[in-house]
Amino acid sequence: QTVVTQEPSFSVSPGGTVTLTCGLSSGSVSTSYYPSWYQQTPGQAPRTLIYGTNTRSSGVPDRFSGSIIGNKAALTITGAQADDESDYYCVLYMGSPLFGGGTKLTVL
Amino acid sequence: EVQLVQSGAEVKKPGESLKISCKGSGYSFTSYWIAWVRQMPGKGLEWMGIIYPGDSDTRYSPSFQGQVTISADKSISAAYLQWSSLKASDTAMYFCARRTGTYHFDFWGQGTLVTVSS
Repeated sequence: QTVVTQEPSFSVSPGGTVTLTCGLSSGSVSTSYYPSWYQQTPGQAPRTLIYGTNTRSSGVPDRFSGSIIGNKAALTITGAQADDESDYYCVLYMGSPLFGGGTKLTVL
Repeated sequence: EVQLVQSGAEVKKPGESLKISCKGSGYSFTSYWIAWVRQMPGKGLEWMGIIYPGDSDTRYSPSFQGQVTISADKSISAAYLQWSSLKASDTAMYFCARRTGTYHFDFWGQGTLVTVSS
């Protein structure tokens, strides 16, 4: 059974840059899996950040960007702010959506 | 404005049945798939299944097949998630989300908290 892998946790300093990744337990992530990224703060519904690998959802600041790096999808936050401290989930579409386990990002 | 509005929190006992809803507005409800996503306390997001309200075509994650039923009533722009016999392990927040043609979820409901406890 294919598993979507994400770093369990990550830390970034305010103003810094961080790249979160989204891989597969076997195989490489490609654009044909339509990688998307979601941000969730405790008690809230997820918010869509990136879809189709690198397209920002409406209203999402341009400091969030998506890409493929190597064999993984990636979400880069440039100039991290305190309110970026959240859980981040990637989803890959492989006939049905597969959610990654999420990355808890701390900004300190 | 596109909105998905879910029904309110529920507290149930094991063995009871339950049906929660997700009402769409601000778009053509029959033209987009609606997914259900579970989030157990302190855990990540899990895709449960999806329905196309236009023709009620429904797909389930293997993990949830046979455990829940997804349905829709296009006349009132509503999708549903139901259980015939709840278990304590069904305690979770449940989200509905609209899926686009580019295979992502662009709008989310606010979530329905289901608590199952004796």
